[in-house]
Amino acid sequence: QKEVEQNSGPLSVPEGAIASLNCTYSDRGSQSFFWYRQYSGKSPELIMSIYSNGDKEDGRFTAQLNKASQYVSLLIRDSQPSDSATYLCAVRNNRLAFGKGNQVVVIP
Amino acid sequence: DTGVSQDPRHKITKRGQNVTFRCDPISEHNRLYWYRQTLGQGPEFLTYFQNEAQLEKSRLLSDRFSAERPKGSFSTLEIQRTEQGDSAMYLCASSPTSGRQNTQYFGPGTRLTVL
Repeated sequence: QKEVEQNSGPLSVPEGAIASLNCTYSDRGSQSFFWYRQYSGKSPELIMSIYSNGDKEDGRFTAQLNKASQYVSLLIRDSQPSDSATYLCAVRNNRLAFGKGNQVVVIP
Repeated sequence: DTGVSQDPRHKITKRGQNVTFRCDPISEHNRLYWYRQTLGQGPEFLTYFQNEAQLEKSRLLSDRFSAERPKGSFSTLEIQRTEQGDSAMYLCASSPTSGRQNTQYFGPGTRLTVL
């Protein structure tokens, strides 16, 4: 079982819609969870961190954490063409373990 | 610019050659990490340092790979006798000393192509 799994294929959403991304992790003792955005050819950029069960909102982004289900999600509201990127879920136990990422394409 | 910097940004080499990459972390960060990313995959952990001490190495880090952080500031990653499978983006990240809310910030990466 992989440490962090992101299984959805590319996600196409119309401009202004909500994009929803999901991630599961295997280590029940994990405490720190992150979403990074990565544009093609660039390095990952941190957009959200979450440490406690529940929702955390930052602008158009909402991260949701459910430790009992070992599940982390990211919602992007009012999606913009500039949100088109790969979104990486990461779990930290000293070093970061990443999922393989989900590509999001926002269609104008 | 006070972010993580990496040099070079791109490196093309022939199979069998040695290459060395440099990473300069954010100045007040004690921890420095190296990751490798191939196309379509998330970054994979290679190794990390706290100050000058190398605290963890991945099984991905074969004997041909060595990393150093001699003065607890910048770090180098050397790959000896490069192979085509080493072609990847090599990412460096830094963070303050461990604390659950200390996040890692990435440099721009070094893209290695082995011909």
